[in-house]
Amino acid sequence: GIQVEQSPPDLILQEGANSTLRCNFSDSVNNLQWFHQNPWGQLINLFYIPSGTKQNGRLSATTVATERYSLLYISSSQTTDSGVYFCAVPASGGSYIPTFGRGTSLIVHP
Amino acid sequence: NAGVTQTPKFQVLKTGQSMTLQCAQDMNHEYMSWYRQDPGMGLRLIHYSVGAGITDQGEVPNGYNVSRSTTEDFPLRLLSAAPSQTSVYFCASSYSGQGQIGANVLTFGAGSRLTVL
Repeated sequence: GIQVEQSPPDLILQEGANSTLRCNFSDSVNNLQWFHQNPWGQLINLFYIPSGTKQNGRLSATTVATERYSLLYISSSQTTDSGVYFCAVPASGGSYIPTFGRGTSLIVHP
Repeated sequence: NAGVTQTPKFQVLKTGQSMTLQCAQDMNHEYMSWYRQDPGMGLRLIHYSVGAGITDQGEVPNGYNVSRSTTEDFPLRLLSAAPSQTSVYFCASSYSGQGQIGANVLTFGAGSRLTVL
C-alpha cells in the first residue's frame, strides 16, 4: 500500500510564530486531506486538497501531486492550534478510504 | 443532524471478553471505516465498508469483525479481547461524488477509549 510520511514529528512554537508541516506520499493520489486532532481527541478536517493551494484563515495548504508532497502552513500560531496534524491519502489506487501518516504534534506556548 | 455517533465512549474489558463498539451516522454516507489510534502510530485502518452488505479488511484487521446491514450502522466486534487491543477507536464516514463539495471528506466520531486488562 501507499506510504505516508509526515515531518517534523514534533514541533514547539511560541505564539505568533509561523510553521510549515510536510506530508510525503509514495504513489500518485487523487485526493489528500489534512486533519487537526485537538488536545481532547476530536478530529476535524482542515482541507481536502488533491492538488493546488487552498486557504482558510491563518491556515493554508498546498499539494504538488506530481512531486508527491503536501504542505500545511500555519501563520501567526495561537495556543488553540496545539494538537496533532495528520495528512491522509487513499489507501491504494482507486480506494476511497484514507490511510494516515503518523502526524505532527504541535505545541504552541503563550 | 448528529453526524457520526460512537458508543460507548469508555470501556474496560478483561482479557478474553467480547464486546461491540457501535457506530451510527445519519448523513446517508455510503463509506464507513474503523481506525485505531495508538501513541506515535497515527490512525490505522481496521475495517471499512463501501456500502450496505460490503465490508473489507484494512491494515490491522486481526481480532476484529464488522458487518454492515444498513447504511447507517457499522459495528466493530472484538471477539476475544487482548491487552494489545487497548487503544482509542474512531469511526468515520464519507460519501463519494465526483466533483461534489464535501465528497470523500471524512467525518469522524468522538472516539471510544478501550482498555483491556
